Amino acid sequence: GAVVSQHPSRVICKSGTSVKIECRSLDFQATTMFWYRQFPKQSLMLMATSNEGSKATYEQGVEKDKFLINHASLTLSTLTVTSAHPEDSSFYICSPLLAGGLDTQYFGPGTRLTVL
Amino acid sequence: GQQLNQSPQSMFIQEGEDVSMNCTSSSIFNTWLWYKQDPGEGPVLLIALYKAGELTSNGRLTAQFGITRKDSFLNISASIPSDVGIYFCAGRVAGGTSYGKLTFGQGTILTVHP
Repeated sequence: GAVVSQHPSRVICKSGTSVKIECRSLDFQATTMFWYRQFPKQSLMLMATSNEGSKATYEQGVEKDKFLINHASLTLSTLTVTSAHPEDSSFYICSPLLAGGLDTQYFGPGTRLTVL
Repeated sequence: GQQLNQSPQSMFIQEGEDVSMNCTSSSIFNTWLWYKQDPGEGPVLLIALYKAGELTSNGRLTAQFGITRKDSFLNISASIPSDVGIYFCAGRVAGGTSYGKLTFGQGTILTVHP
């Protein structure tokens, strides 16, 4: 399958700080990137969809000013959690969409964010 | 919005037993995907289904895309300890504003006793 990396794999930060999570598709170009969030013992919930070079589209209930998404290239997308609070503690997972196809959809290994 | 109901929520089985789990939807999907997630990791794709009625196998795993396009099941035969994990179904529509978006089921937690 496709190789997707996320960095960092886990991060602990103080309340009020900002955290940037990187997602890279290593062996294909992703015109679209999906960002999901998963709370403990729950399923994955889509947060936002970003297209390369365009503004991201956020799902209902997700604050766009709090979760900043940048998709500047076909192989890199970043999610920045601004002014993080303990309730933002979660598992964040990216899923790049292969340009021109929908045959498969892979996920990154995830980033565990803990806000103290 | 679209909702997926996945059952059972959890299963406790003996090694060697067969397992079956399913998902039903309130609306139609064009693609059904089954993933396995280990603790602290991202979901790993097991099987992808693209046509109503399609039956696909991947080793000991078999999945089917329901004729109504509103359901799918996953079977695991002769379970082994490494099958332990959380299994998710996911549905996807092909076009419109939901292009590429996945809707996930609630997950099935599988425990296999040696």
